[in-house]
Amino acid sequence: ILNVEQSPQSLHVQEGDSTNFTCSFPSSNFYALHWYRWETAKSPEALFVMTLNGDEKKKGRISATLNTKEGYSYLYIKGSQPEDSATYLCAFIGTGNQFYFGTGTSLTVIP
Amino acid sequence: DTGVSQDPRHKITKRGQNVTFRCDPISEHNRLYWYRQTLGQGPEFLTYFQNEAQLEKSRLLSDRFSAERPKGSFSTLEIQRTEQGDSAMYLCASSKGRGGTEQFFGPGTRLTVL
Repeated sequence: ILNVEQSPQSLHVQEGDSTNFTCSFPSSNFYALHWYRWETAKSPEALFVMTLNGDEKKKGRISATLNTKEGYSYLYIKGSQPEDSATYLCAFIGTGNQFYFGTGTSLTVIP
Repeated sequence: DTGVSQDPRHKITKRGQNVTFRCDPISEHNRLYWYRQTLGQGPEFLTYFQNEAQLEKSRLLSDRFSAERPKGSFSTLEIQRTEQGDSAMYLCASSKGRGGTEQFFGPGTRLTVL
């Protein structure tokens, strides 16, 4: 079993605050790293697919970086809004093409 | 709606019964994945198909679990002789290609084994 760790486990921030969370994964046999947002009662929705060391991706107020050599990715949310409240999952995809999800970071944005 | 669909959305069964779930992926997607998710955990990989071929199966998956994708379109996941530990959300996802492409998830089937 491959270990993908996310921290923190949960986070409460005030509306307007910026925040970030971490996904740690093995630095060997890397193929891709995915970030998903999972809102309550909905399906997980893809945010980013990252494949190259040093990748930086951005979608609106959300961005992500990737360091495959040291095995981590950061997700940043600028100016958090209540609609950003969700669980953010990362998934490590190895060269064997199995997906290993982390346990997620639960974000609550307080209006 | 052209998203991934799953049926049923909820299933309550008694221990020892067999259950079968269905997943209909996005039509042009050749890869289909099954996951299990329990409270406080991320989705746990079970198996995946490329077209009709089952290419990978988790070692965590007991032989009571079987999945098929007979024509490379919809897939079924069957659990035989259900146990209380099988209670979980079963998620299906599909994608166009390998791990470098995003997966699109269905709404899941919530299984409760009494």
